[in-house]
Amino acid sequence: AQTVTQSQPEMSVQEAETVTLSCTYDTSENNYYLFWYKQPPSRQMILVIRQEAYKQQNATENRFSVNFQKAAKSFSLKISDSQLGDTAMYFCAFMTNSGGGADGLTFGKGTHLIIQP
Amino acid sequence: ETGVTQTPRHLVMGMTNKKSLKCEQHLGHNAMYWYKQSAKKPLELMFVYNFKEQTENNSVPSRFSPECPNSSHLFLHLHTLQPEDSALYLCASSPRAAPDTQYFGPGTRLTVL
Repeated sequence: AQTVTQSQPEMSVQEAETVTLSCTYDTSENNYYLFWYKQPPSRQMILVIRQEAYKQQNATENRFSVNFQKAAKSFSLKISDSQLGDTAMYFCAFMTNSGGGADGLTFGKGTHLIIQP
Repeated sequence: ETGVTQTPRHLVMGMTNKKSLKCEQHLGHNAMYWYKQSAKKPLELMFVYNFKEQTENNSVPSRFSPECPNSSHLFLHLHTLQPEDSALYLCASSPRAAPDTQYFGPGTRLTVL
């Protein structure tokens, strides 16, 4: 079974600072996908960024980037120039590439990120 | 409407009631999912449907009964629930079988009295 661990229950930074959220996972699979999802106070879960395990290049989406260390099974999210709208719960999630039917996501417990004005 | 919608957004029910949660996706996706989000616990996968066929039941108690009449609609029928079933129930869809990005609805906040 896969597990996802987010060791930071809550983080708080000032607006415009850079913040890194950590995530580690455990799996015996070699082919999988990793995701960061954001859940603002309105509760709609939205995708921030995704990474395919077979890709060595770290994914980036505007101010969001990941540091994917496959050997260490680490998948951290870096948010640059943080904005008030970044305040949310951030979930790290894992999905295997079973090649068969649709698979669900395995989530970490989340990190509550607060951006202070 | 666009995206993934869920109704009702809030539901309060007694332990002897029967109710249903509805999810609809307007994205043309083929896979749909139910997740449970409880306080202080990670989101838990409950059910997976792929092309209307249930492909996964994550050891969910029989008091939760899913139904997927077509690729756009997903229901979760509830009966004789327990107070510990109170949670946010999230529906998601994805374009195809894994792996692919899942798109979530806003959730139904369920309270069981």
